[in-house]
Amino acid sequence: AQSVTQPDIHITVSEGASLELRCNYSYGATPYLFWYVQSPGQGLQLLLKYFSGDTLVQGIKGFEAEFKRSQSSFNLRKPSVHWSDAAEYFCAVGPYFGNEKLTFGTGTRLTIIP
Amino acid sequence: DAGITQSPRHKVTETGTPVTLRCHQTENHRYMYWYRQDPGHGLRLIHYSYGVKDTDKGEVSDGYSVSRSKTEDFLLTLESATSSQTSVYFCAITPADGGYTFGSGTRLTVV
Repeated sequence: AQSVTQPDIHITVSEGASLELRCNYSYGATPYLFWYVQSPGQGLQLLLKYFSGDTLVQGIKGFEAEFKRSQSSFNLRKPSVHWSDAAEYFCAVGPYFGNEKLTFGTGTRLTIIP
Repeated sequence: DAGITQSPRHKVTETGTPVTLRCHQTENHRYMYWYRQDPGHGLRLIHYSYGVKDTDKGEVSDGYSVSRSKTEDFLLTLESATSSQTSVYFCAITPADGGYTFGSGTRLTVV
């Protein structure tokens, strides 16, 4: 069965600092991986996705993520955070393109301090 | 926003009453999903559909049923609502380029 672990429940960073959110997945074959962001009281927005090819993927809002098969990880990064990045971030894994039946992690809440 | 809407946006209902949540899409996507979101659990799949009248269970399907009589509508029914079903419910579709597009959610409170 597929699963996702986001080990950090809450992270606080200063505005302008770099950010890395961790995601580890468990899946027996090549996974499809996603990062979503949810602002308070809002729905979820897709930040980026990995299906195949280049293991470093670029997303919206200046985010990127790197797929590392050997570590079963798909960590999200941003070189310099903005106050508007404060939100909850979810990593997800799916078995194949199409009917993806995504499994989500429990989320990491990001707080930005001035 | 990708033509997916959920209704109602908020609902308060009493324990033991039936409740139906609606997800409507305008782009003829084949796959539709219902998730619930709870603190500490992330999003968990309740049911999904892969076409008209074709549905299947997710990991937390007990107490829920679904129907899809038209491509555009996917209904989630709580047959007899319980307090443990207080949650935020999200509908999602799979667009052509993969991943999910989510609706805005329905906040359901069972009292």
